[in-house]
Amino acid sequence: QSALTQPASVSGSPGQSITISCAGTSSDVGGYNYVSWYKQHPGKAPKLMLYDVSNRPSGVSNRFSGSKSGNTASLTISGLQAEDEADYYCSSYTSSSTLVFGGGTKVTVL
Amino acid sequence: EVQLVESGGGLVQPGRSLRLSCTASGFTFGDYAMSWFRQAPGKGLEWVGFIRSKAYGGTADYAASVKGSFTISRDDSKSIAYLQMNSLKTEDTAVYYCSRRSGSSRGDAFDIWGQGTVVTVSS
Repeated sequence: QSALTQPASVSGSPGQSITISCAGTSSDVGGYNYVSWYKQHPGKAPKLMLYDVSNRPSGVSNRFSGSKSGNTASLTISGLQAEDEADYYCSSYTSSSTLVFGGGTKVTVL
Repeated sequence: EVQLVESGGGLVQPGRSLRLSCTASGFTFGDYAMSWFRQAPGKGLEWVGFIRSKAYGGTADYAASVKGSFTISRDDSKSIAYLQMNSLKTEDTAVYYCSRRSGSSRGDAFDIWGQGTVVTVSS
């Protein structure tokens, strides 16, 4: 199973909105509404930010939103803040009953 | 407090075995599926495998990269999940995380993570 495709880096100024894409295939992203997004600071454990494409766990800011169109899912961070600077990973359930991740996107707040 | 703590990592020679443990607290361990992930130095996250709760058969699935070499098991009486790693290779060097499958997700989302344990495979 090939990894999902994410941009290596995305940046924005405080207050702006940014979007991270996560491209897969019909066997993963496109075939199921089971895309999750994780935030990770260097040396720390990942944190679940969105699940099932667009659902936020309790405690996650509503500045984080998710969507999916065809084989590509997206994470949007609105009102960008300094604390949003981190690595972000998407993941998807696959038709092989496995889980596949994207390569990760480094978000920089300018 | 809901918590996962991994242990058992360390330095091991290629071809040898190692068993990692993931001790859970603060929730009913037996009600949840558990998964192992890893992250090689400077690299992204990789799913290793997954074990269902006993209510769903307690069976496990694995990534192709570890299938046949790694085995996940669980002891619900002790609230521990295990990752048995055999025939280790240098490319298995990584931080290994265990995680709890979210009870809210219909898919495979993981909401509680341990702090990770470092496995270094080197001669």
